Amino acid sequence: NAGVMQNPRHLVRRRGQEARLRCSPMKGHSHVYWYRQLPEEGLKFMVYLQKENIIDESGMPKERFSAEFPKEGPSILRIQQVVRGDSAAYFCASSPTINPFYEQYFGPGTRLTVT
Amino acid sequence: DAKTTQPPSMDCAEGRAANLPCNHSTISGNEYVYWYRQIHSQGPQYIIHGLKNNETNEMASLIITEDRKSSTLILPHATLRDTAVYYCIVSGKSNDYKLSFGAGTTVTVRA
Repeated sequence: NAGVMQNPRHLVRRRGQEARLRCSPMKGHSHVYWYRQLPEEGLKFMVYLQKENIIDESGMPKERFSAEFPKEGPSILRIQQVVRGDSAAYFCASSPTINPFYEQYFGPGTRLTVT
Repeated sequence: DAKTTQPPSMDCAEGRAANLPCNHSTISGNEYVYWYRQIHSQGPQYIIHGLKNNETNEMASLIITEDRKSSTLILPHATLRDTAVYYCIVSGKSNDYKLSFGAGTTVTVRA
């Protein structure tokens, strides 16, 4: 059973460009979470999605950031008009259910560098 | 509003047990204690969780005090590959899918 997959693993963008980060959850998992880790900091929750629904985007910056999890295909985190402060590691996690016993399985992350 | 307190770092000799403490004095009755770790440049990895009883799996043991205000993660025979940042997280309410990763404890296992 393949784990959570993220691509690309490394992404370099110039200021003002768009960044698209992809996440394929584990087989059988329909819940996806995105976290951001700034340099020398802990992971911070960004958004929680189920298939075709955004459940909680309270951790998403108000502008330029969006996320989706379509019926078919991977979850996408999209950052428009990137700025240097967006440079970070972005981790996706998935889980099969939501209750106090669940674990989140994390992918290897995408490291975004904005030049 | 940190829910847990962990020492910033600790060293451990290879082959010895590593005991990682965590204080969570404001934990409520329905909240669980979770441990994750993050090896350098990788995504976090789930280790173990518990409510009030001690728990053990193939990776580690979790000892929770009777008053549940603190816990200890035990890596029974630390190896160099256990070098990582270890996070103690309190979670369990209905909207606590938002795992809150603090600074954690940086554990360095030395040969």
